[in-house]
Amino acid sequence: RKEVEQDPGPFNVPEGATVAFNCTYSNSASQSFFWYRQDCRKEPKLLMSVYSSGNEDGRFTAQLNRASQYISLLIRDSKLSDSATYLCVVNIIFGGGSYIPTFGRGTSLIVHP
Amino acid sequence: DGGITQSPKYLFRKEGQNVTLSCEQNLNHDAMYWYRQDPGQGLRLIYYSQIVNDFQKGDIAEGYSVSREKKESFPLTVTSAQKNPTAFYLCASRDTKTGEKLFFGSGTQLSVL
Repeated sequence: RKEVEQDPGPFNVPEGATVAFNCTYSNSASQSFFWYRQDCRKEPKLLMSVYSSGNEDGRFTAQLNRASQYISLLIRDSKLSDSATYLCVVNIIFGGGSYIPTFGRGTSLIVHP
Repeated sequence: DGGITQSPKYLFRKEGQNVTLSCEQNLNHDAMYWYRQDPGQGLRLIYYSQIVNDFQKGDIAEGYSVSREKKESFPLTVTSAQKNPTAFYLCASRDTKTGEKLFFGSGTQLSVL
């Protein structure tokens, strides 16, 4: 079983739609959680960190559910420019207190006019 | 400006040839990582280094080697033992003392001739 799992999609939505992605992780020692955005053949860029209390940045809302071991990303009022792949990243603890950033395979979003 | 630089952007490898991908950062980050990304897939960890002169294998280290002789440099060699090297390679760094955010280079696309 993969440590971080995402539905690869693609999610194909019209402009203005609300879309939600989920990501599950298997290691309960996971320390911190993030969503990254990646455009085709570009480097990933940090979209937002994810906290248990939930956090919002404009049209984007992220939520962490530690009991069920999943994180979510909600995008409201989708724009054409939101079309990209969204990567779930989990920092997994290993020996010595350090951790390794572990990526899901990404969820593809296509926003059409 | 501080950042992380990967070179070359595109690289071609002949059968039986070793090639080296460069990764340099001037962010004074301790931790550095190499990831491989295949089309439609997430990032898979090849090697990582938490400190100078030390590095560890990731999930897919076979056929690759690294060195960390200087804090700012973490080159990746793709050896002839790696039978399927065609992929997008991403280098990242992180400040282990102050943050969890990953800083990425712009990537190297490696193809086999």
